[in-house]
Amino acid sequence: GENVEQHPSTLSVQEGDSAVIKCTYSDSASNYFPWYKQELGKGPQLIIDIRSNVGEKKDQRIAVTLNKTAKHFSLHITETQPEDSAVYFCAAPGGSYIPTFGRGTSLIVHP
Amino acid sequence: SQTIHQWPATLVQPVGSPLSLECTVEGTSNPNLYWYRQAAGRGLQLLFYSVGIGQISSEVPQNLSASRPQDRQFILSSKKLLLSDSGFYLCACSAGDLLGTNEKLFFGSGTQLSVL
Repeated sequence: GENVEQHPSTLSVQEGDSAVIKCTYSDSASNYFPWYKQELGKGPQLIIDIRSNVGEKKDQRIAVTLNKTAKHFSLHITETQPEDSAVYFCAAPGGSYIPTFGRGTSLIVHP
Repeated sequence: SQTIHQWPATLVQPVGSPLSLECTVEGTSNPNLYWYRQAAGRGLQLLFYSVGIGQISSEVPQNLSASRPQDRQFILSSKKLLLSDSGFYLCACSAGDLLGTNEKLFFGSGTQLSVL
C-alpha cells in the first residue's frame, strides 16, 4: 500500500513570511495529490490539488509542486496571514480510491 | 457540488451507552462514503468505507460498526461505548471529477464525542 510521510509536524512563521510543507509517497501508481486544510473544530477542506501530468499548480497565494521522479510534493503558502493558521494534510491514493493521508502539519502564523 | 450533513456536532455519552452518528450526502449519487476518527492533535484514522448500499469495509477492528441503508446515508454505531472511543468523528464522501476519478474527498463538519 501507499505510505505518505509529511514534514514538519509543526511550523511557526511570522505574518507575511512563506511556509512550505513537504510530503513524500512510496507508490508510483499515485497520480493525484490533494492538500487539505483543517481549521479548529471543523472538517478538512480541499484547498489545492495536482495531477501527475503537471509539475506545478498555483492558486493565488498557495501553490503545489510535484516531483514524480523523487516521489515528493510540496505545499507553498506565500505572504502568510493569521487566517492561514490551521492543520494541513497531504494525501496520495496509491492504486486505490482510498487516499493515504500524511500525519498533518500544524501551521501557526504569528501576527 | 457535494454537501455533507453530519450530526450532532457535539456529544457527551457515558461509558457503556450506545452510539449512533448519522451522515447524509447531497449533490451526488452513488458516492463512496467514509468514516474517519481523529484523536486530539493527531491524524486521520480511517474506520470504515462503503462503495454502495449495504457494502461496508472495516479498516480497524474495534468497538464500532457502520451501516449504509440508503445510497446517501452512512451511520456509525456502537452498542457499548468505551473511554477509548472518544474523539472527533468525520464523515466524508468521494466525488467524481471531470476525469471520472474518486480521489477527491469532501468532509462533513464532524462530531466531537466525549465518553465519560
